[in-house]
Amino acid sequence: EAGVAQSPRYKIIEKRQSVAFWCNPISGHATLYWYQQILGQGPKLLIQFQNNGVVDDSQLPKDRFSAERLKGVDSTLKIQPAKLEDSAVYLCASSLAGGIYEQYFGPGTRLTVT
Amino acid sequence: GNSVTQMEGPVTLSEEAFLTINCTYTATGYPSLFWYVQYPGEGLQLLLKATKADDKGSNKGFEATYRKETTSFHLEKGSVQVSDSAVYFCALSGMDSSYKLIFGSGTRLLVRP
Repeated sequence: EAGVAQSPRYKIIEKRQSVAFWCNPISGHATLYWYQQILGQGPKLLIQFQNNGVVDDSQLPKDRFSAERLKGVDSTLKIQPAKLEDSAVYLCASSLAGGIYEQYFGPGTRLTVT
Repeated sequence: GNSVTQMEGPVTLSEEAFLTINCTYTATGYPSLFWYVQYPGEGLQLLLKATKADDKGSNKGFEATYRKETTSFHLEKGSVQVSDSAVYFCALSGMDSSYKLIFGSGTRLLVRP
């Protein structure tokens, strides 16, 4: 079975520019997560979708970050405008449903803001 | 709020040595506990989990026991291999509506031949 796909794998932008990341979850997985992993720290949940509805976005900086999951499958995460402190690895994960189902992680997108 | 604290790395061991990576947590209620592993160039993978007190999770020779009295979930392996070199993350999933994972900061393990 194919895993969670993410693109691009790497991105370098200047501050105040915008950027978008794409995630394709495992087929049939209803729940999708976006995490931010800053160097030397553990991943931090940004937003959780159940199908195409938002379950938790309490740690998403909504003034600059947005995410959508159209049709309950693929998802995009956007940053506009980017700040230096947004440099991190952005991880997408999916699970069959919410709750204690195992989360499967993609390889991540490494963002560098200069 | 809920949090996870794990020992800082890097941890450097010789092949066949005994491994312990300490993890303690703060949480309300009865969280589920997890160890994830990130091999070089790969995504996070679930290594093992425990969902209630005194449960022992195990996989690939690794073990961890959910100790509610000490709020700990230490990772152990009796004999490490070079292929175990990776970053290990302790995490918990609380009882709120999203069951979101809260991760520790990770511990890098380097095993030398």
